[in-house]
Amino acid sequence: DAGITQSPRYKITETGRQVTLMCHQTWSHSYMFWYRQDLGHGLRLIYYSAAADITDKGEVPDGYVVSRSKTENFPLTLESATRSQTSVYFCASSEQAGSSYEQYFGPGTRLTVT
Amino acid sequence: AQTVTQSQPEMSVQEAETVTLSCTYDTSESNYYLFWYKQPPSRQMILVIRQEAYKQQNATENRFSVNFQKAAKSFSLKISDSQLGDTAMYFCAFIYNNNDMRFGAGTRLTVKP
Repeated sequence: DAGITQSPRYKITETGRQVTLMCHQTWSHSYMFWYRQDLGHGLRLIYYSAAADITDKGEVPDGYVVSRSKTENFPLTLESATRSQTSVYFCASSEQAGSSYEQYFGPGTRLTVT
Repeated sequence: AQTVTQSQPEMSVQEAETVTLSCTYDTSESNYYLFWYKQPPSRQMILVIRQEAYKQQNATENRFSVNFQKAAKSFSLKISDSQLGDTAMYFCAFIYNNNDMRFGAGTRLTVKP
């Protein structure tokens, strides 16, 4: 199906384990983003990517790693998960700069770190 | 730094009535975009309405309209003829470039039958 998808939708992992959240979009959007959503904070930007092989930090990047070898994929890796990384994670994409900057969001991944 | 403040954590409204959600923001930029996103229990983020800062006319989308006061840095959302399906979290968001969208903490709206 066209659009932006995330997998898995739910994940439970243990402290110290590595976990990767996947994001895939079919629009060929240049920009992709990872946010986390926590009560009282709204959505906060973790990392973003302006194009394949170009990534940069957002507001809360510590403990996360991203890569973007292909335009359509933007995985987010927690190299050693901590309980503070329990959250709902959203991937988003948008067109080139100069548009209205509207971002299209995936359905989210609920991650629990025990 | 750009910040977005939603001062109403929770609100409720009777079905068919009108409700206004508040949002203020802080920025030194002159050209930017503002958005209201809706997040129903499904968790999907849905764009409700957008406003370009250089446009003085307030945006309208069916039952949703905004009151954009640029000098006051205020961007409220009015929902007319509220429906049960409007029950959701509503997030105000601000962006001035393509890589730094800031969100408010959200307002949980409940529409009562």
